[in-house]
Amino acid sequence: DTGVSQDPRHKITKRGQNVTFRCDPISEHNRLYWYRQTLGQGPEFLTYFQNEAQLEKSRLLSDRFSAERPKGSFSTLEIQRTEQGDSAMYLCASSKGSRVAIRDTQYFGPGTRLTVL
Amino acid sequence: AQKITQTQPGMFVQEKEAVTLDCTYDTSDQSYGLFWYKQPSSGEMIFLIYQGSYDEQNATEGRYSLNFQKARKSANLVISASQLGDSAMYFCAMREGPGGAQKLVFGQGTRLTINP
Repeated sequence: DTGVSQDPRHKITKRGQNVTFRCDPISEHNRLYWYRQTLGQGPEFLTYFQNEAQLEKSRLLSDRFSAERPKGSFSTLEIQRTEQGDSAMYLCASSKGSRVAIRDTQYFGPGTRLTVL
Repeated sequence: AQKITQTQPGMFVQEKEAVTLDCTYDTSDQSYGLFWYKQPSSGEMIFLIYQGSYDEQNATEGRYSLNFQKARKSANLVISASQLGDSAMYFCAMREGPGGAQKLVFGQGTRLTINP
């Protein structure tokens, strides 16, 4: 069973540039999540998709951030006009969508580490 | 308000000893799930164990067990017979529901170091 994959693993960019990250969930997982993790902190939720529908967005997701999941499979997260404060690890997770909602386990990818110079 | 509190920034344990990592949580929901994840230096979050608020038994998965005390709102992770490969960050997380948000809320983590 292939796990969640993310690409690229590392990205260095200059302030003001746009960046795009990709996440491929575990096959047959209909739920996909994006989190951001800064140094020394736990991950913070950004957004959630069920199939292709974006159902939840955190207030952390400013208008410079956009996420898509066009066919309910892979997802992309784009950051426009990057700022130094965007430097973080961006984690993607997927889940099957359990009948018992609270036990729907999220499985994470290896993350994309973004550095904005 | 902080929903998940992990009060131990760092723990140092001798190999083969058992270790307990603390986690307390805050919620007004009766139905919730608690998760523990391990994050090695490579960065990937690895799912370890799950405990549901209505589960009568404490969860166990191999060397991992969860000491769940609902009245105290604590869900401590116990690792038995620690190994060098257990050195990593450990995060406690909660999911409220079933009508609540789908997101996991994480604590700040505990860095566990296993000494040979």
